[in-house]
Amino acid sequence: ELKVEQNPLFLSMQEGKNYTIYCNYSTTSDRLYWYRQDPGKSLESLFVLLSNGAVKQEGRLMASLDTKARLSTLHITAAVHDLSATYFCAVERNFGNEKLTFGTGTRLTIIP
Amino acid sequence: EPEVTQTPSHQVTQMGQEVILRCVPISNHLYFYWYRQILGQKVEFLVSFYNNEISEKSEIFDDQFSVERPDGSNFTLKIRSTKLEDSAMYFCASSEWGGLTEAFFGQGTRLTVV
Repeated sequence: ELKVEQNPLFLSMQEGKNYTIYCNYSTTSDRLYWYRQDPGKSLESLFVLLSNGAVKQEGRLMASLDTKARLSTLHITAAVHDLSATYFCAVERNFGNEKLTFGTGTRLTIIP
Repeated sequence: EPEVTQTPSHQVTQMGQEVILRCVPISNHLYFYWYRQILGQKVEFLVSFYNNEISEKSEIFDDQFSVERPDGSNFTLKIRSTKLEDSAMYFCASSEWGGLTEAFFGQGTRLTVV
């Protein structure tokens, strides 16, 4: 059974600081997603990572994937308050297996 | 931009009652999903649906749950006899080609069973 774990579960950081959220998964995967969720809202797709060594950046967020280590990271650069949200990684186990297995989520709070 | 829409946004029901949650997937998508998220917890897969049949379902998706595509546009999740523990946010998602393409999520229906 595929397991997806994120750490930390909770992260409180000051504006302007950098930090990284980690996503580990237990079996081979073909693609990995990062989602953002604001309280009471839906899941906003941030990144889709398709291959080993993939790196994608959007604004202050950068995601990377190491399929050999079964690890993805979401790096936040110079955090701003607007980035406060819960971030989920989700793994699709293999090509054609449509379901996503979500991580536990990281609740990020940016403090002014 | 095309989007997945869900109705209602919030449903309150009494324990033991039947509820139907509705979703309109993106029009050219062929794969449909339901996920749920109990408050404060992670998102869990319930069921995937393709070509008018279930392609995969989780342990959560027991005999109390069913899905249907009654016409060309709607995709529904029915819970026959709701339990308190069914209270959660239910998300519908759709993708164009299943595992080959990204799934897009609706805004969710918050189900509260009292």
